[in-house]
Amino acid sequence: DGGITQSPKYLFRKEGQNVTLSCEQNLNHDAMYWYRQDPGQGLRLIYYSQIVNDFQKGDIAEGYSVSREKKESFPLTVTSAQKNPTAFYLCASRETGGNTEAFFGQGTRLTVV
Amino acid sequence: ILNVEQSPQSLHVQEGDSTNFTCSFPSSNFYALHWYRWETAKSPEALFVMTLNGDEKKKGRISATLNTKEGYSYLYIKGSQPEDSATYLCASQRSNDYKLSFGAGTTVTVRA
Repeated sequence: DGGITQSPKYLFRKEGQNVTLSCEQNLNHDAMYWYRQDPGQGLRLIYYSQIVNDFQKGDIAEGYSVSREKKESFPLTVTSAQKNPTAFYLCASRETGGNTEAFFGQGTRLTVV
Repeated sequence: ILNVEQSPQSLHVQEGDSTNFTCSFPSSNFYALHWYRWETAKSPEALFVMTLNGDEKKKGRISATLNTKEGYSYLYIKGSQPEDSATYLCASQRSNDYKLSFGAGTTVTVRA
């Protein structure tokens, strides 16, 4: 089935450790996104990528890093520099062509203790 | 408007009643306005992507309108049903940039 897969669903890490969240899509979409959601807030954009080997910072990129080596994959690393990493993280993808809808993964809930 | 804003943050509706809520977005360099429905324990799913001023779109009992000159969109739910309970998100896209900026959402609870 075509879709976008995030893993794992739940992730626990100790403070000070880097952690990488996986996002894979088999929809042949060029554009991919990472969003963060905190309680009572909307989706805030961390990074997005329009094409392989290219990505742009979103509104809250500090403390995060990404790579886009393959069209299908857009992993997000939460580094120890991110002050409040505990949150729900959503990945999304879209076709090229401007006004196309986004498709979302199921999300990863990261808890840092 | 510098950011995407949605109001109200939440609302409760009696089953069978109709309701509507607002998304405000930057009107400068507008390209597209997206609406998504996000049900508990599921992923957000697209309802509409709208681009033209005055555009109206409909999917079943849900419809949306768009005013790009003043920077707002309304989402309407006619004859609300319990399955309409969800958070409704809007997202703004500017000038054919791939960046999608979301509002905080309106959470709708339909009471039977």
